[in-house]
Amino acid sequence: QVQLQQWGTGLLKPSETLSLTCAVYGGSFSGYFWSWIRQPPGKGLEWIGEISHSGRTNYNPSLKSRVTISLDTSKNHFSLKVTSVTAADTAVYYCARGLEVGALSWGQGTLVTVSS
Amino acid sequence: DIQMTQSPSSLSASIGDRVTITCRASQSISTYINWYQQKPGKAPKLLISAASSLPSGVPSRFSGSGSGTDFTLTISSLQPEDFATYYCQESYSTPFIFGQGTRLEIK
Repeated sequence: QVQLQQWGTGLLKPSETLSLTCAVYGGSFSGYFWSWIRQPPGKGLEWIGEISHSGRTNYNPSLKSRVTISLDTSKNHFSLKVTSVTAADTAVYYCARGLEVGALSWGQGTLVTVSS
Repeated sequence: DIQMTQSPSSLSASIGDRVTITCRASQSISTYINWYQQKPGKAPKLLISAASSLPSGVPSRFSGSGSGTDFTLTISSLQPEDFATYYCQESYSTPFIFGQGTRLEIK
């Protein structure tokens, strides 16, 4: 089964850019969309966006102006950038494969805290 | 955007109980719904895809049903490891929307 491992900066100041990367082990990018999801402390899950193996992206309109998801097939990873972060962006961020068919594979989660 | 209304938001039950969680979509989504289980500090785990399909390794006490706008997740006989939070997720169209979650607690 495909395994996802993610990493990135855990503590940011307001107005900085959040940057996370998710590496894919044991599979290729073909045939699925690759998503980012976040979960504020004690709250529910919010889909951020996704990218296909060909680089086609879909974003949540609530975040679209600040979000970029990209893909590097040579390194077998995909990335998330969120600009101009505020305290409202504090959350555990997850990468996942295939929300469109039910996501069997998830990253371990990264807590990102935005604080001055 | 599609809205997913999940109920109840919390539920207390005993070992061996039969439990049902429901999700209602704001428009027809056919059978494009998935269900997840999440334990504290862990990533969600897929329980049901396409309304009623169990991935390999998911115990048969979990089942899903429904189509159109109304869906249910049923646990036929609660086990100690089932106490967790459960989420539905529509996969009919983006932005993908999750239900608000159902926290299942031990009575």
